[in-house]
Amino acid sequence: DGGITQSPKYLFRKEGQNVTLSCEQNLNHDAMYWYRQDPGQGLRLIYYSQIVNDFQKGDIAEGYSVSREKKESFPLTVTSAQKNPTAFYLCASSIKTSGIAKNIQYFGAGTRLSVL
Amino acid sequence: AQKITQTQPGMFVQEKEAVTLDCTYDTSDPSYGLFWYKQPSSGEMIFLIYQGSYDQQNATEGRYSLNFQKARKSANLVISASQLGDSAMYFCAMREARSGAGSYQLTFGKGTKLSVIP
Repeated sequence: DGGITQSPKYLFRKEGQNVTLSCEQNLNHDAMYWYRQDPGQGLRLIYYSQIVNDFQKGDIAEGYSVSREKKESFPLTVTSAQKNPTAFYLCASSIKTSGIAKNIQYFGAGTRLSVL
Repeated sequence: AQKITQTQPGMFVQEKEAVTLDCTYDTSDPSYGLFWYKQPSSGEMIFLIYQGSYDQQNATEGRYSLNFQKARKSANLVISASQLGDSAMYFCAMREARSGAGSYQLTFGKGTKLSVIP
């Protein structure tokens, strides 16, 4: 089945530690996205990538880093510079179009990150 | 200023009844798209329905329909014949056709928690 796989489902970070969240898609989508969701809030964009080896910052990129070495994969690293990392992280993908074409973003099941 | 406003933090509906979830948006861009997503307790965001700013008719997808009132900048989701499985968070989102991140970024509201009562 085509879809987006995020792992792990739960992740714990110690102080000063970097952690990496995995996101893999087999939908043959060019574009991939990372969102953060805090309790009682909507999603906020961290980073997005429209093509391999290229990515752009979203609204809340500070303390995060990404890479896009393969079309299928878009890992997110939460660095020690992110002082409040506890949140639910969602990865999404879509076809690559501009404007407001019906460009639906499809989401993974998310990773819940907590600080020890 | 909030670009997407969902004024109902929580809603209750009787099973088999219809329910309307409110969404208002703010944009000066004449070209934009509006999306509704469902988030069950498992966490995954599930796409429900889409409305483009130039679409002449209200969007419908099975039991979901979108009451699009462009002049009032509202895009309310209507769920007909509610089912127990409809209990979830519902998010309204918008994409504006401006350059840069805007043409790809979705801006989300804070969501409405819908509870379906047997």
